[in-house]
Amino acid sequence: GQQLNQSPQSMFIQEGEDVSMNCTSSSIFNTWLWYKQDPGEGPVLLIALYKAGELTSNGRLTAQFGITRKDSFLNISASIPSDVGIYFCAGGGSQGNLIFGKGTKLSVKP
Amino acid sequence: GAGVSQSPSNKVTEKGKDVELRCDPISGHTALYWYRQSLGQGLEFLIYFQGNSAPDKSGLPSDRFSAERTGGSVSTLTIQRTQQEDSAVYLCASSLGGRSYNEQFFGPGTRLTVL
Repeated sequence: GQQLNQSPQSMFIQEGEDVSMNCTSSSIFNTWLWYKQDPGEGPVLLIALYKAGELTSNGRLTAQFGITRKDSFLNISASIPSDVGIYFCAGGGSQGNLIFGKGTKLSVKP
Repeated sequence: GAGVSQSPSNKVTEKGKDVELRCDPISGHTALYWYRQSLGQGLEFLIYFQGNSAPDKSGLPSDRFSAERTGGSVSTLTIQRTQQEDSAVYLCASSLGGRSYNEQFFGPGTRLTVL
């Protein structure tokens, strides 16, 4: 079945640093989405991308839909403590359901 | 309500018992989805309802799992004869459908523990 490879699996951030994560797939998708999940809660939609090559921002977050339609990245600029959590990429096809990556866990540097 | 709601928030059951999990989607959303999230994993698609169409059940892991959606709104996911491997967080999502069907909004989930 379709799978998404999301990297890195985890990373530590220091306040003020920029963060980057990405997702790749062997299949093409019509939509790429990025979600953030805090402990004990459901994922919250951050950004949705609908066109190959599209670059979209939401505050300090920027995401791009890869030109091949098989990848996407998410950048967070000037990170703050509340950015910690798990970020998931998801690819959407024509069937309705989303295929999710396994997540990137953002933690604060000790 | 403003968002997707799910109940119960936590459910502990004994192996072999049946459980029902409920989802109230966002008002006006025609599409409803169930996903399962095991510890430290991404979300696994289970089933999808769109309007009055037959549901897409392609993600259900076994015939012990079933779901229905009454009146195009509330949905119930039923797991019969629960097994320990069914322990997970069950997440419901809804979307407007149409061109926005992929923009899915999630509820807080039901954490199921099978002893």
